[in-house]
Amino acid sequence: DGGITQSPKYLFRKEGQNVTLSCEQNLNHDAMYWYRQDPGQGLRLIYYSQIVNDFQKGDIAEGYSVSREKKESFPLTVTSAQKNPTAFYLCASKGTSGALSEQFFGPGTRLTVL
Amino acid sequence: SQQGEEDPQALSIQEGENATMNCSYKTSINNLQWYRQNSGRGLVHLILIRSNEREKHSGRLRVTLDTSKKSSSLLITASRAADTASYFCATPAHQAGTALIFGKGTTLSVSS
Repeated sequence: DGGITQSPKYLFRKEGQNVTLSCEQNLNHDAMYWYRQDPGQGLRLIYYSQIVNDFQKGDIAEGYSVSREKKESFPLTVTSAQKNPTAFYLCASKGTSGALSEQFFGPGTRLTVL
Repeated sequence: SQQGEEDPQALSIQEGENATMNCSYKTSINNLQWYRQNSGRGLVHLILIRSNEREKHSGRLRVTLDTSKKSSSLLITASRAADTASYFCATPAHQAGTALIFGKGTTLSVSS
């Protein structure tokens, strides 16, 4: 089955800890994205990567970091510098047919700071 | 930077009724997409409409696009309880490669 997987589904973090959210896709997509969703809100772009070994900051990158060492993987680290990390995190990917194609989303990771 | 704004924020209807959701955006676009999100899940793509299209259909979905008014609407006909979800419009993020900008969504509740 082709798709995007995210793990874990639920994650709890103590204040001051860094945590890493996993995102893997087997769709052979070049572009991958991380979004944050707060209750009752839309999605906000954290980071995106158009190609392996390259990534760019989105609208709310402060307190987050990413890497793109493999085409299939785009992990997101939530650092202790992110003061309000409790949210639902969504990873997405997209093929190389330009802007006129859909994004495919993973099931999300719900992060809670204790 | 929020591009799309959906209206209404919430909509409650009975099964069999039609549901209409609207989206307004700010800058010029070459396409607009609609996504659906069930509670606590990822988003699922519903339909993409190009800027040179005025209307598009997919099953019980009908999307319109008015580029002069910078607005789009999503119509779900003959709603079912399974249509209960949040619906988002998304437009290209011109400053962020192929990323999308999402509105806050319309939460649709269909009761049987």
